[in-house]
Amino acid sequence: GAVVSQHPSWVICKSGTSVKIECRSLDFQATTMFWYRQFPKQSLMLMATSNEGSKATYEQGVEKDKFLINHASLTLSTLTVTSAHPEDSSFYICSARRQTDEQYFGPGTRLTVT
Amino acid sequence: AQTVTQSQPEMSVQEAETVTLSCTYDTSENNYYLFWYKQPPSRQMILVIRQEAYKQQNATENRFSVNFQKAAKSFSLKISDSQLGDTAMYFCASPSTNFGNEKLTFGTGTRLTIIP
Repeated sequence: GAVVSQHPSWVICKSGTSVKIECRSLDFQATTMFWYRQFPKQSLMLMATSNEGSKATYEQGVEKDKFLINHASLTLSTLTVTSAHPEDSSFYICSARRQTDEQYFGPGTRLTVT
Repeated sequence: AQTVTQSQPEMSVQEAETVTLSCTYDTSENNYYLFWYKQPPSRQMILVIRQEAYKQQNATENRFSVNFQKAAKSFSLKISDSQLGDTAMYFCASPSTNFGNEKLTFGTGTRLTIIP
């Protein structure tokens, strides 16, 4: 149990467009979901924490208006990169957590902005 | 702020040998959990082992064990009888508060290569 999926696994978009990444907990209800960003050969950096039905909490330095997070249900959170630019190219990973449980990670989404 | 330090960017070891990855952390919390995650080339994060800070006994999961030194804030991972499938990035992680409550802080990672 405790499977988290992400869609798409890889997306290429043109500079200036927006792209949405979905994170789903397939077999459990996630009270909290987290979004991370990972540059090549680097560690995971937390971008934001989202709780179902409330606004996301962003880490310092993360632009709220650029990285829109919606946690509309207990099984789905979305990350929308608005007006994407090449510097937004990265690997985005989500994780989901049941109450008082560990975080379960999705397989990640590779975003390439051309 | 929570900090997690991994001082070994890369390590390599012969298959079947034992290897130890180091991690130090800083926290103001009294009760907390520490984690080791593995990220293979697929980039899927996999939990290897976790340690509860209030337990004196070191955690063990099959070939994986930890050496937890709370006073020194040290949390090393020992992999025994290493296998080719252990080749991966390994990240030490600490939560900002108690278990199951909020965000993880990751170390910079150690790239482990198991040599056939």
